[in-house]
Amino acid sequence: AQRVTQPEKLLSVFKGAPVELKCNYSYSGSPELFWYVQYSRQRLQLLLRHISRESIKGFTADLNKGETSFHLKKPFAQEEDSAMYYCALQGGTSYGKLTFGQGTILTVHP
Amino acid sequence: KAGVTQTPRYLIKTRGQQVTLSCSPISGHRSVSWYQQTPGQGLQFLFEYFSETQRNKGNFPGRFSGRQFSNSRSEMNVSTLELGDSALYLCASSLGAGGGTEAFFGQGTRLTVV
Repeated sequence: AQRVTQPEKLLSVFKGAPVELKCNYSYSGSPELFWYVQYSRQRLQLLLRHISRESIKGFTADLNKGETSFHLKKPFAQEEDSAMYYCALQGGTSYGKLTFGQGTILTVHP
Repeated sequence: KAGVTQTPRYLIKTRGQQVTLSCSPISGHRSVSWYQQTPGQGLQFLFEYFSETQRNKGNFPGRFSGRQFSNSRSEMNVSTLELGDSALYLCASSLGAGGGTEAFFGQGTRLTVV
């Protein structure tokens, strides 16, 4: 079975502060991990994926297989980062199936 | 290119009725996945179709079914609707081959069962 846990439903920070959204997963094989974001009144969209090892909008995420974590980080939060963030897992060859965490609502205050 | 399109955007149905939702994927995408989003359960995977075949299935009752056509468009059907089926139903399309493939989501269909 595969599971994704995002322990924080709500996260509030001030503009310019560092932010970390936590994600832990349970999967017996080697998963593909993603962060998806949903801004207000917009559709769910990919923010980044671990396979690309890229930084998008200042966000990075490192896959830690020992701790089974894929936390999302940004050193200096901006007000436009306020959104709902979902961590998602794709397991094995189940290419079209994503298992999502419950999501974290990030609010960045001015 | 055009994004994933879901129709209709809103539906109101009565308990016991059935409903069909439609999803048009991005051109060239062969995989279409369906998700149910509710405040209590979050985003839950329903099923995925690839080249007209159901490739993956979530833990939903048999009342939930789907199909995919040769042009990759997909439909999802829910029969004998229950109040608990009220949710936002999201469709996502992707190339469907290889790990780490990006899924592109539609705006969703908001189903209300009364």
